[in-house]
Amino acid sequence: RKEVEQDPGPFNVPEGATVAFNCTYSNSASQSFFWYRQDCRKEPKLLMSVYSSGNEDGRFTAQLNRASQYISLLIRDSKLSDSATYLCVVFSNSGYALNFGKGTSLLVTP
Amino acid sequence: NAGVTQTPKFQVLKTGQSMTLQCAQDMNHEYMSWYRQDPGMGLRLIHYSVGAGITDQGEVPNGYNVSRSTTEDFPLRLLSAAPSQTSVYFCASSSVSGGFNEQFFGPGTRLTVL
Repeated sequence: RKEVEQDPGPFNVPEGATVAFNCTYSNSASQSFFWYRQDCRKEPKLLMSVYSSGNEDGRFTAQLNRASQYISLLIRDSKLSDSATYLCVVFSNSGYALNFGKGTSLLVTP
Repeated sequence: NAGVTQTPKFQVLKTGQSMTLQCAQDMNHEYMSWYRQDPGMGLRLIHYSVGAGITDQGEVPNGYNVSRSTTEDFPLRLLSAAPSQTSVYFCASSSVSGGFNEQFFGPGTRLTVL
């Protein structure tokens, strides 16, 4: 079983819609959680870290549920420029390696 | 700061050739890593390093070597290229002080092995 799993999508949503992605992780000892964004043929870039209490950055809200071992990303009022692949990333102290999900593809249409 | 730089941007090799992908960062980050990204497979960790002189294997290390003689540089060597190594390679670095922090990625090297 892969350590980090995501629904690959694609999620096709109209501009202005709210969309949510979930990601599950298998290692209960995982300590740090992130959402990265990757545009086509570009390198991944950090979108936001995910904190235990949940956190918000403008139209983006990230939540962590340790009991169920999943993290979520909510995007409100979607923009065309939000079209990208969103990568869920989990870090565990054991082995000092980041584990990436395969990504969820989002397409926002006019 | 240039951030994380990678060279070359594109490379075509023949089966059996060897080459080195270069990666450098100017942020004094302790942690550096190499990933490959293939369609439908996501990012897979090849090798990583937590500091100069320290390297370790990731998920898919076979066919690749790394060394970390300085904090800044983390080259990836393909010993004998195979078509299965056709991929996009990303180098990344991050600070690990106070816990794991944002990873900064280089722009990638697109490698084709014929």
